[in-house]
Amino acid sequence: AQKITQTQPGMFVQEKEAVTLDCTYDTSDPSYGLFWYKQPSSGEMIFLIYQGSYDQQNATEGRYSLNFQKARKSANLVISASQLGDSAMYFCASWDGNTPLVFGKGTRLSVIA
Amino acid sequence: EAGVAQSPRYKIIEKRQSVAFWCNPISGHATLYWYQQILGQGPKLLIQFQNNGVVDDSQLPKDRFSAERLKGVDSTLKIQPAKLEDSAVYLCASSSTFLGLAKNIQYFGAGTRLSVL
Repeated sequence: AQKITQTQPGMFVQEKEAVTLDCTYDTSDPSYGLFWYKQPSSGEMIFLIYQGSYDQQNATEGRYSLNFQKARKSANLVISASQLGDSAMYFCASWDGNTPLVFGKGTRLSVIA
Repeated sequence: EAGVAQSPRYKIIEKRQSVAFWCNPISGHATLYWYQQILGQGPKLLIQFQNNGVVDDSQLPKDRFSAERLKGVDSTLKIQPAKLEDSAVYLCASSSTFLGLAKNIQYFGAGTRLSVL
């Protein structure tokens, strides 16, 4: 069974600084996808970025990038130039096409002015 | 393009009462998902539909939870009777692809926050 581990319950970052949110995954399937979602206090899960297991390059979407290290089974999210609006819960998730999308417990990011 | 719509946003009921949640997915999305998110945890899949057929309901407590998607578009999730441990946020999501990985991004609604007293 898949498992997602997010070891940082909470993180603080100064506005305009970069921050890395950790995620490790455990799947036996060679073909899988990794996702990051943002959940602000309003409750909606907002898709941020996707990385496929066969993708050669790390995914980037604006200020978001995914540091994909396949051998270590890690998929850390990097947010550059943090903004106050980035304060939210961040969830890492994995899907191998055969089992449901599995989420980690999340990391609460607080951006400080 | 309109996102995933859910209603109500909040619901407070007493234990043993029944409750229903409604979801309208993004237009054209064939796959619809219901998740339960307990406070402090990530979402957990309850049921997945492909058009109007159930793909996965292995984690749905079928003695009290039921869901339907009769016309392959909107869906209803029902709890009857509710228990205290059902207090959670119920999230609906939809996606346009199902087969393989193909960057199967799930788009979520704002959720329904249920409190069972």
